[in-house]
Amino acid sequence: KNQVEQSPQSLIILEGKNCTLQCNYTVSPFSNLRWYKQDTGRGPVSLTIMTFSENTKSNGRYTATLDADTKQSSLHITASQLSDSASYICVVPGSNYQLIWGAGTKLIIKP
Amino acid sequence: NAGVTQTPKFQVLKTGQSMTLQCAQDMNHNSMYWYRQDPGMGLRLIYYSASEGTTDKGEVPNGYNVSRLNKREFSLRLESAAPSQTSVYFCASSDGWHKESNQPQHFGDGTRLSIL
Repeated sequence: KNQVEQSPQSLIILEGKNCTLQCNYTVSPFSNLRWYKQDTGRGPVSLTIMTFSENTKSNGRYTATLDADTKQSSLHITASQLSDSASYICVVPGSNYQLIWGAGTKLIIKP
Repeated sequence: NAGVTQTPKFQVLKTGQSMTLQCAQDMNHNSMYWYRQDPGMGLRLIYYSASEGTTDKGEVPNGYNVSRLNKREFSLRLESAAPSQTSVYFCASSDGWHKESNQPQHFGDGTRLSIL
C-alpha cells in the first residue's frame, strides 16, 4: 500500500534553534517528493519539489534532502523564526499519479 | 494577486441540506482539485479536473459532485449533507496535470464546513 509517514507528529523548539523533520514513503514507482508548509487556518504552500535525481535542495533557511534508496526525505530548518510555526507536509505522487499526503508535523517555535 | 479564491470561508448546515462550494483561480491553470482535510489525516482528494471539460473521481468522491464551469472555476456540491462531511475543504490548481508536470499545486484558504 502506498503510504507517506512523517515524524515527529509535533515538535516544539526555541526561536533560533535548528530542527529536522522526517518523511518515509513506500510509494513505487517514485517520481518526485514535495514539501508543503501550512499555516494555521490557511491552505498549504509549496516549499520544494525534489525529483529522483536531486538529493539536496534549498529554499532560504529550508533544506530538503532525499534518499531514494531508503525512501526517506528530511526537511531541515535553520535558525528558526516565529513565522516558521506551522504544519509541514510531505507529499508523493502515487501509482495512479494522485498525490499521497502525509499527516504532517506540527512545528511550534517558542520565543 | 488573488491566486485561488474559495467561498464561503465558513458554513454550518443541517443534515440533509445541500450547498455548493465555489472555487476560482486567476493563474490560467489547466488542472483543478478538491480536497478535504480532517484532523490527524493527510489531505484526501475528492475530485479533480485535469483540464477544462473533464472531471474525475479521487479517493473519496461519495456524497459529492463537481462542475468545471470554465477554465477558472471548479465547484463542489454536497447534495444531501451528512455529519461525516464535516471537514475543511480546499480547492487547488496547478499548471498541468501532475502526471506530466513537476509543478506545485496552489491552494485556496479553505472552507470550514460543519454539518449538524
